[in-house]
Amino acid sequence: DAGITQSPRHKVTETGTPVTLRCHQTENHRYMYWYRQDPGHGLRLIHYSYGVKDTDKGEVSDGYSVSRSKTEDFLLTLESATSSQTSVYFCAISEGEYGYTFGSGTRLTVV
Amino acid sequence: QKEVEQDPGPLSVPEGAIVSLNCTYSNSAFQYFMWYRQYSRKGPELLMYTYSSGNKEDGRFTAQVDKSSKYISLFIRDSQPSDSATYLCATGGFKTIFGAGTRLFVKA
Repeated sequence: DAGITQSPRHKVTETGTPVTLRCHQTENHRYMYWYRQDPGHGLRLIHYSYGVKDTDKGEVSDGYSVSRSKTEDFLLTLESATSSQTSVYFCAISEGEYGYTFGSGTRLTVV
Repeated sequence: QKEVEQDPGPLSVPEGAIVSLNCTYSNSAFQYFMWYRQYSRKGPELLMYTYSSGNKEDGRFTAQVDKSSKYISLFIRDSQPSDSATYLCATGGFKTIFGAGTRLFVKA
């Protein structure tokens, strides 16, 4: 998607290993978000950032941490991956209170 | 109770039909209401947004918000096979809350 890229697009990892997903934007938007999408649950907010080094927890933050050292990059780390964290992860950006632009997603499988 | 409830469908309609997609929400403080469209294996894309109550029209799409009943609707006129996707309602503004999405199939 224009202006926002996620990497990797697909990843298979083993239970107990740390995993880092990357979101990169070229829009210079202030707000960045990490959501996970699961059948029956829709999109649920994991963590969000409202500026460099300013982050906060969302609805489902347990087992996840984030970092934002530059405006353009927002990293999501699964500290010790579990099978329940198998999901599709979406990064989103916004300049204001509404109207997110989403990345293409990362499909993560924890085996 | 989820903050935003949405029937997951699937909803299957013939080409040219009028489609009605609906959501309910629980927090009366919400002011921004959005509809996103998500094609298979893609990220959601913003389709429409409204602020507070009322209607907003964009081509074949009309978004409607009734704050008195906490009801959000999206109408699609003259539906096309290319409209086949999952439609997610959303509200809450900053830290947007999403419905689970309704899968729509438009048959040619």
